[in-house]
Amino acid sequence: IQMTQSPSSLSASVGDRVTITCRASQDISNYVAWFQQKPGNAPKSLIFAASSLQSGVPSEFSGSGSGTVFTLTINSLQPEDFATYYCQQYKDYPLTFGQGTRLEIK
Amino acid sequence: EVHLVESGGGLVQPGGSLRLSCAASAITLSSCEIHWVRQAPGKGLEWISYISSSGNTVYYADSVKGRFNQSRDNAKNSVFLQMNNLRVEDTAIYYCATSGLSLYFGNLILIPFDHWGQGARVTVSS
Repeated sequence: IQMTQSPSSLSASVGDRVTITCRASQDISNYVAWFQQKPGNAPKSLIFAASSLQSGVPSEFSGSGSGTVFTLTINSLQPEDFATYYCQQYKDYPLTFGQGTRLEIK
Repeated sequence: EVHLVESGGGLVQPGGSLRLSCAASAITLSSCEIHWVRQAPGKGLEWISYISSSGNTVYYADSVKGRFNQSRDNAKNSVFLQMNNLRVEDTAIYYCATSGLSLYFGNLILIPFDHWGQGARVTVSS
């Protein structure tokens, strides 16, 4: 299953609302997770089951979608949110990640 | 707080072998499914292996199938990734990650990739 993530990079300002989209090559129900990775650090899980927030993740993050189209939305960007974001499908093996979206400060 | 620690990385020549370990504290790995994910320099994330909590089910990415072998020793609270016939393109940071049962709003559910290690660097070069 291929996961096509867009955009590959994004410039935004603190306080902006941004949306990242992931498209699956086939129906994967809601078996999608989203991760945040900062340079030099391990990925951090943000969302699982397309829209369920991991414990401790701020409510400015939200996920939606089912089937083949999924979105990660960050409301009111904070300085610590500038990072790279990845989607992942875990419906079938081999598990696959999107190519990543680098979120930069404008 | 849960901590996963990978070890065993290093520099190896093409065709060589390494064995990575993933050890845990504040969590019983025997109750978790374990994944290995790698990241080549400047590249994205690549899932490479899964092992069930019992160890009876293992999956691999095509890129490592036949060369890598994941196993677990629940008595030692550890998981291992034996990497043989290493190639230059296996150069990456290797992360272990858990998928485990947790209470989520009162329901016991499997939460995927909830904890990650800090990564082990593997360099394959002559």
